[in-house]
Amino acid sequence: DQQVKQNSPSLSVQEGRISILNCDYTNSMFDYFLWYKKYPAEGPTFLISISSIKDKNEDGRFTVFLNKSAKHLSLHIVPSQPGDSAVYFCAASAEGTYKYIFGTGTRLKVLA
Amino acid sequence: EAGVTQFPSHSVIEKGQTVTLRCDPISGHDNLYWYRRVMGKEIKFLLHFVKESKQDESGMPNNRFLAERTGGTYSTLKVQPAELEDSGVYFCASSQESYVAFFGQGTRLTVV
Repeated sequence: DQQVKQNSPSLSVQEGRISILNCDYTNSMFDYFLWYKKYPAEGPTFLISISSIKDKNEDGRFTVFLNKSAKHLSLHIVPSQPGDSAVYFCAASAEGTYKYIFGTGTRLKVLA
Repeated sequence: EAGVTQFPSHSVIEKGQTVTLRCDPISGHDNLYWYRRVMGKEIKFLLHFVKESKQDESGMPNNRFLAERTGGTYSTLKVQPAELEDSGVYFCASSQESYVAFFGQGTRLTVV
C-alpha cells in the first residue's frame, strides 16, 4: 500500500514558467515532509522541507505548500530553468522516526 | 566537507554469490540509513543506525541481508546469497540531529 503518492510520472514545462509537482499521502501520523531532486546516476539531493505545523516554506525559487486536511503537498518552482530537469521525490516521516517513506517520483523536463 | 560516499558504484554478480556494499557517512553524522530503489520504483527504507546500534530494521527484506556499522563510522550491507530480485540501486544516507538526510550516489547492483 503506497502511503506517499506522486500520481504524475512526468511533467514538461517551458523555461521561465511555473512547475508544480504534487504529492498525496495517506498516513495522518506523517508530520515532516521533504522534496528531493535526483539526476541520473546520482543520489537524491535535498531540496526543501516542511513541518506539519506550517503550511508554506519558501527557499529561493522553490516553495512547498502543505494542506494537512487534504493530505496534499506541492512543490512550486518559479521560474523553471533547464537545470531543474530531474526526477523529484516527495518523502514523509512520522513523528519520532527518521524513516522516510518516498513517492515514486515525477520526472520534470524544463524545455528551453 | 566530503559527502556520503558509497563503494562500489556498480556491481554485477551471479545469483547465489555474495556482495558487500560499503557506505562512509558524512563525518560526525550519528544517523546512517540504507535505502533501495528497485526497477525505477519508489525508494524504500531498509534500516537505520544510530552510531553502531540498529534503531530500525523494519525494511530489511529477509535474512539474506546483513547490515553492520562497527565503531559507529562506516557501514556495510551484505547480501548473501544474492537473488535476482535483489537487483536495484542501494542508497546510503546520513544525518545528524535534524530530519534531513544526505544521500550518497548509490550502488547499482545487478544480479544475473
